Amino acid sequence: AQSVTQLGSHVSVSEGALVLLRCNYSSSVPPYLFWYVQYPNQGLQLLLKYTSAATLVKGINGFEAEFKKSETSFHLTKPSAHMSDAAEYFCAGHRPVGGATNKLIFGTGTLLAVQP
Amino acid sequence: DVKVTQSSRYLVKRTGEKVFLECVQDMDHENMFWYRQDPGLGLRLIYFSYDVKMKEKGDIPEGYSVSREKKERFSLILESASTNQTSMYLCASSLGQGDGYNEQFFGPGTRLTVL
Repeated sequence: AQSVTQLGSHVSVSEGALVLLRCNYSSSVPPYLFWYVQYPNQGLQLLLKYTSAATLVKGINGFEAEFKKSETSFHLTKPSAHMSDAAEYFCAGHRPVGGATNKLIFGTGTLLAVQP
Repeated sequence: DVKVTQSSRYLVKRTGEKVFLECVQDMDHENMFWYRQDPGLGLRLIYFSYDVKMKEKGDIPEGYSVSREKKERFSLILESASTNQTSMYLCASSLGQGDGYNEQFFGPGTRLTVL
């Protein structure tokens, strides 16, 4: 079965430190992968997506993610955390099903805390 | 600015009530989705629709039904609300064409409490 796994339900970093949020996927087909961010009491907002054009994907707010097929990973990074980055982050993968497209399977989320 | 709106941000209902959650998108998207979000479980797909009057069950459809009479509107119905349906409900939409690389756009969510 296809799955998306996020390692670490809670991650805490200091302001200015590197942010690394981990995501691994399992799939037998070339994936489309997404990172979403959810700020408190809001819906999900797309940070970035991988569609096989380039393995290093840059997104909004200084985030980027690298697709590594050999490791089946799509980890999210940001060189320097800001207080405003505190939010919950979801990794998601396209779940191909015969007929209907654009169904996603989501990881369980990682709550990022940024300490002053 | 593209938008997905949901009829209520917070809703409190009693056990056994019929509950309607409404979602409207202004992007002319073919696909619409309903998820529930629970701590530690991420987002789980309840139902989705790929065209007007077309719907398919997601991973957890039990206790829910949906309606899509117009392209821009997708309604989630709890026929008889139960306490285990207390959750955050998120609506999303996406373009229909493409091979899975179209992102989904989300509404702000409805936090439903069933007493």
